[in-house]
Amino acid sequence: DAKTTQPNSMESNEEEPVHLPCNHSTISGTDYIHWYRQLPSQGPEYVIHGLTSNVNNRMASLAIAEDRKSSTLILHRATLRDAAVYYCILNNNAGNMLTFGGGTRLMVKP
Amino acid sequence: NAGVTQTPKFQVLKTGQSMTLQCAQDMNHEYMSWYRQDPGMGLRLIHYSVGAGITDQGEVPNGYNVSRSTTEDFPLRLLSAAPSQTSVYFCASMPLGGGGKGTQYFGPGTRLLVL
Repeated sequence: DAKTTQPNSMESNEEEPVHLPCNHSTISGTDYIHWYRQLPSQGPEYVIHGLTSNVNNRMASLAIAEDRKSSTLILHRATLRDAAVYYCILNNNAGNMLTFGGGTRLMVKP
Repeated sequence: NAGVTQTPKFQVLKTGQSMTLQCAQDMNHEYMSWYRQDPGMGLRLIHYSVGAGITDQGEVPNGYNVSRSTTEDFPLRLLSAAPSQTSVYFCASMPLGGGGKGTQYFGPGTRLLVL
């Protein structure tokens, strides 16, 4: 299974943009890039996913490198409620095991 | 839809006791999985299933058993609890098909303390 690597932690100021990176150098052509976040004392929740093109939804944007070996989750204006652990994982929907890794702990300062 | 439900929310066990953590989903998802999360750590996959009657091991399967007799239910059994199994356990489900677009839906978790 392809693996991902993310920084352990990042800090941001409230109302500023945040760029959370993820490296997935062994990604295969059928792997979708998924991002989840885990708020304190809660289960993870889906944020966004993409294959090749950049994606936007109400929560965030996903920028995918042209070679697909890295991606960046973009929170356009961080709020205190965005403080969470963010996970980047790969999914080819082949029924393989989906592993999460350590994720990036985002701290947002008022 | 209730989504993914887990019971109990919290459990205290003594070393050597056995118990079953329940997980159910009402979304007709083929894929179900169990993760554990130790304090301050990421999620580690214990077991997963791609459909009724099919289960497979994840990253940390030792000490745990699973079965999948129906699409809806995916119980996790601790055979002989050890303090190292103190953790928060999350169950998740996901639809298969769609070429990798499927997203996982997580339950609220079960906090387990083994004394």
